[in-house]
Amino acid sequence: KAGVTQTPRYLIKTRGQQVTLSCSPISGHRSVSWYQQTPGQGLQFLFEYFSETQRNKGNFPGRFSGRQFSNSRSEMNVSTLELGDSALYLCASSPGSLGGGHEQFFGPGTRLTVL
Amino acid sequence: AQKITQTQPGMFVQEKEAVTLDCTYDTSDQSYGLFWYKQPSSGEMIFLIYQGSYDEQNATEGRYSLNFQKARKSANLVISASQLGDSAMYFCAMRERQLDSSYKLIFGSGTRLLVRP
Repeated sequence: KAGVTQTPRYLIKTRGQQVTLSCSPISGHRSVSWYQQTPGQGLQFLFEYFSETQRNKGNFPGRFSGRQFSNSRSEMNVSTLELGDSALYLCASSPGSLGGGHEQFFGPGTRLTVL
Repeated sequence: AQKITQTQPGMFVQEKEAVTLDCTYDTSDQSYGLFWYKQPSSGEMIFLIYQGSYDEQNATEGRYSLNFQKARKSANLVISASQLGDSAMYFCAMRERQLDSSYKLIFGSGTRLLVRP
C-alpha cells in the first residue's frame, strides 16, 4: 500500500505570495491532518479534514486554510505569506477522525521557505 | 502552560542498551490518547506506539514500550536494545478534546537521541 505523499517537497516563495500544498492520503483513509513544524514553535496542529469537512482546527490565523476532496486528497493554502511561515508542513492520514484515537501516518513533508 | 513536556532535549545511549525518554502531560480530560513518534533526519514522522487513557496494560510494540503512570501523568517511552538506526528526534504527543468537542494532537518539544556504537 502506498504511503502518504506530499507535493511539492520543496518550495520557495516571497512575502505576500500565496501557496498551495497537496497531500494524498493512504488509500482508504478518510482523515487528513496538517501540521506546521518550526525550530521555534515545534510541531503545531493546523487542522483536520474528515470526509470533506473540517473537523478540528488549531490556533492559526485565517490565512491558513484547507480543503478535502471526495477522493480524500487534501490541499492546504496559505495566503499573504510571511517570513514566519517558513516551515516544514507535514500531512498525516488516518482511517478515522482524530477523536477515534487512530494512528496517524505522516508524509515526508513540504519544506516551505519564504524570502 | 505546556501540555506535553519532554525535559530531555538530547540524550546519548550505547548501542544495545535500553533507554527511557521522558514525557509528562497535563489534561483535565478523562479520555485522551498518548502517542510517540520518531522523526529521523529525513523529516518523516514515524508512529511508534499508542496508549489510551483507559488502557490498563502498558502498550508495547516490538522494542518499544510505554511506561504509563496515569496518576503521575507520565508516559515514558522505553527503547530496549538500542540500534544505530534509532538515532533520531522522538516526540511525545497527546490527543486532547477541546471545549467545542473537537480534537487536537499536541506535541512535546522532542528529545534528540543519539546511539553510540
